[in-house]
Amino acid sequence: DIVMTQSPTSMSISVGDRVTMNCKASQNVGSNVDWYQQKTGQSPKLLIYKASNRYTGVPDRFTGSGSGTDFTFTISNMQAEDLAVYYCMQSNSYPFTFGSGTKLEIK
Amino acid sequence: EVKLQQSGDELVRPGASVKMSCKASGYTFTDYAMHWVKQSPGQGLEWIGTIIPLIDTTSYNQKFKGKATLTADKSSNTAYMELSRLTSEDSAVYYCASSYIYWDVMDAWGQGASVTVSS
Repeated sequence: DIVMTQSPTSMSISVGDRVTMNCKASQNVGSNVDWYQQKTGQSPKLLIYKASNRYTGVPDRFTGSGSGTDFTFTISNMQAEDLAVYYCMQSNSYPFTFGSGTKLEIK
Repeated sequence: EVKLQQSGDELVRPGASVKMSCKASGYTFTDYAMHWVKQSPGQGLEWIGTIIPLIDTTSYNQKFKGKATLTADKSSNTAYMELSRLTSEDSAVYYCASSYIYWDVMDAWGQGASVTVSS
């Protein structure tokens, strides 16, 4: 199985900050990485698909980049409503696997 | 609007089975695959498997083979997951999520169904 190593585990941030998190795949997954946001008590929500494509309706402060084994997710101007856990997931091969998540907390 | 409506929360005895449903609306059911994802309390996400209703084909995470069985009813646009021989390790929230069959991006999710295994 492909292991997605996500870092950091958590971040304390302030509104307006630039936030960057990473996912490293244990083998080449091409561009087949998606990023999800999960707020407390809610279902995951797709933000970025195929590494760098913003899903419909997602604000442009959310961006993704990378290919192969190294992927980055950035929130350019953190808003209070962005407090959540963010997960990467590879869909290059079965079984799909998720990173362990990055929890954003207010400083 | 794409909507996935999951069945309700369940409290089940150890050793029993549970079957949950995920009713899709707002899109052509057979154009999409349905995935199932497990989230244990306070934990991350695990992909259980997927079913492609158009060709009635399933793919499972090896970890869940023998535990989960995925089916779909095209006449009612509903996907099902049955979990068997339940233990406390199966207590979790289970989500269904759909993806267009040609690109494996889970862009719509159900609200989740909690399964609690307890005597």
